[in-house]
Amino acid sequence: EAQVTQNPRYLITVTGKKLTVTCSQNMNHEYMSWYRQDPGLGLRQIYYSMNVEVTDKGDVPEGYKVSRKEKRNFPLILESPSPNQTSLYFCASRSSDQPQHFGDGTRLSIL
Amino acid sequence: KNEVEQSPQNLTAQEGEFITINCSYSVGISALHWLQQHPGGGIVSLFMLSSGKKKHGRLIATINIQEKHSSLHITASHPRDSAVYICASGSARQLTFGSGTQLTVLP
Repeated sequence: EAQVTQNPRYLITVTGKKLTVTCSQNMNHEYMSWYRQDPGLGLRQIYYSMNVEVTDKGDVPEGYKVSRKEKRNFPLILESPSPNQTSLYFCASRSSDQPQHFGDGTRLSIL
Repeated sequence: KNEVEQSPQNLTAQEGEFITINCSYSVGISALHWLQQHPGGGIVSLFMLSSGKKKHGRLIATINIQEKHSSLHITASHPRDSAVYICASGSARQLTFGSGTQLTVLP
C-alpha cells in the first residue's frame, strides 16, 4: 500500500530537548516536504527536498533542520524546541505532475 | 509572493445541495491542488490541475489560468462530505495554501 509514514503521531516534550520526527515514503517519490498547520495560519511549508541530498527552505524554516540521505526518508529535526513550535506537522511526498501524498500528521506540544 | 484566497470560510448546506468553493491566487503557477481534511486531521489530495476541468465521482474541479481562479464543486452533497477543503497553488517544489473552507452538510 502506498503511504507516507510519520512518527511519532503525538509528542509532548520540554523546551530545549532535541527531537526528531521521522517521515518515510514507499512510492519512490522525488519530492518531499514538511508543513506545519496552525489555527488561523493554515498550512505553511517548512522545508522541501527535490531529491537525495537536495533540500531547500520553505516559508517558515527557522528552528528546523532536515536531511535527505536516502530517497525514502526525510526527517525533521528540532535541535532546541521552543513553545512556538507547538503545532500539527505533516510530511508529504509526490512525483512530478502528481498530487501529494500526506502522512497522518504529528501533533507536537512543547512545554 | 504568491497569495491564495479561498471563499467562503464557512459553508453550511443541506444534504443534496450543489456546493461551490472558490480559490484565487496571485501569481502564475504550474498547478493548483485541492485537498480535503477531515476532523481527525488527515489530509487527502483530491485534485491537481493545471488547466481545464477534472471530475472524480461527485467532485468537480475547474481552473481558469487567465483569471487565476479555481473552483471546487460538490454535486448531491452528503453529510460525509463535511470537512475542511483547502486549495494550494505553486510549483513542484513549493506550495502556498489557502486558509481553508469548513464545509458542514446537514442531513
